[in-house]
Amino acid sequence: QSVLTQPPSASGTPGQRVTISCSGSSSNIGSNTVNWYQQLPGTAPKLLIYSNNQRPSGVPDRFSGSKSGTSASLAISGLQSEDEADYYCAAWDDSLNGPWVFGGGTKLTVL
Amino acid sequence: QVTLKESGPVLVKPTETLTLTCTVSGFSLSNARMGVSWIRQPPGKALEWLAHIFSNDEKSYSTSLKSRLTISKDTSKSQVVLTMTNMDPVDTATYYCARITVTTEYYFDYWGQGTLVTVSS
Repeated sequence: QSVLTQPPSASGTPGQRVTISCSGSSSNIGSNTVNWYQQLPGTAPKLLIYSNNQRPSGVPDRFSGSKSGTSASLAISGLQSEDEADYYCAAWDDSLNGPWVFGGGTKLTVL
Repeated sequence: QVTLKESGPVLVKPTETLTLTCTVSGFSLSNARMGVSWIRQPPGKALEWLAHIFSNDEKSYSTSLKSRLTISKDTSKSQVVLTMTNMDPVDTATYYCARITVTTEYYFDYWGQGTLVTVSS
């Protein structure tokens, strides 16, 4: 059971906009920033979004992040087939759960 | 170019101790703005944070696994070592090391390729 809650799956067609949610609590998302990781099949996770809404160099601006209260969201616009992957949210947690907690992951399928 | 590479046994027996090494390049383990974490992922399951170590030797462990884990570093060799005692089949997973970058926040910005460890007799 992951500390951060994500939907297990999401889907969309090419060109669509999809969002993936991540729900936490006051000890993690509510008081710290959220990071998102993309894990393509058979590969290591890759940093996609850090500090709620910052993109590392090389990450397309189709990917965006936001946070409100104890929840965060990852949005992918102009969906492409190569976006099919698992997506994980993560945050620092100030409680005994931490210091790092992850979501259970969302498998994104491009139909 | 920042890289991290995990190494260690691919197969361990139940009750044995696992020792994994993360060899880093492109940054120094003495950099005050960086650290290294170990994270694992059982087959088909989610990521689970295990431990981290920073340049000042500050360490932290997963609450649920704290009694079994030890993390250390050798700055001169650019290596971070994780030991996990009393291995069990449920510990079968891909083990990743990842660099932590510290600004006003913390995040894992570079990951190793991971090493699959199977626990079986």
